Amino acid sequence: GNSVTQMEGPVTLSEEAFLTINCTYTATGYPSLFWYVQYPGEGLQLLLKATKADDKGSNKGFEATYRKETTSFHLEKGSVQVSDSAVYFCALSERGNFNKFYFGSGTKLNVKP
Amino acid sequence: GAGVSQSPSNKVTEKGKDVELRCDPISGHTALYWYRQSLGQGLEFLIYFQGNSAPDKSGLPSDRFSAERTGGSVSTLTIQRTQQEDSAVYLCASSLRGQGAMSTYNEQFFGPGTRLTVL
Repeated sequence: GNSVTQMEGPVTLSEEAFLTINCTYTATGYPSLFWYVQYPGEGLQLLLKATKADDKGSNKGFEATYRKETTSFHLEKGSVQVSDSAVYFCALSERGNFNKFYFGSGTKLNVKP
Repeated sequence: GAGVSQSPSNKVTEKGKDVELRCDPISGHTALYWYRQSLGQGLEFLIYFQGNSAPDKSGLPSDRFSAERTGGSVSTLTIQRTQQEDSAVYLCASSLRGQGAMSTYNEQFFGPGTRLTVL
């Protein structure tokens, strides 16, 4: 079956620190992979995506590379800001079937000034 | 324009009561999704509507759960005879068009959710 596992939070970092949030997946076939972000008081929004192996998704300074060999899609940012404080969700959908998404449990990031 | 809206934002009910949760998708979005997020868990897919096609109900956890979408727009998720394990945040999302086997991904836009507490 399909599932997503991401590191538990909360993750607390100082401003300008390097961020990594780990995400690994189990899937039948070749899924598409996503990171969603939920800022305080707001709905989930797409942060970045990758639809095939070795693709790198990037947005707002965040990056994640689709690693088929390690079934991973780790989220990274070189220098976090206080405004990056949010909950981050890793997700996958089966190739050709975007009706169903499988989400991880979310990782809360707190960035301190 | 306006995003996805959901109402109520919070709902507290007693075990055994029925509840209705409402979702107003973005105008023009033909696809609509319901998810559930229990405490400490990821989002759990519940149901998917696409245009006039039969909905994909495969994620509904029991027959106490049902959903409808009237006129291809507003959707209502109904939970009958609520149980304490139904307590969760219920999220709705919409996207621009259907995402079938030959379609490219279309971003889902999420509402703020309804927090349901069953006492």
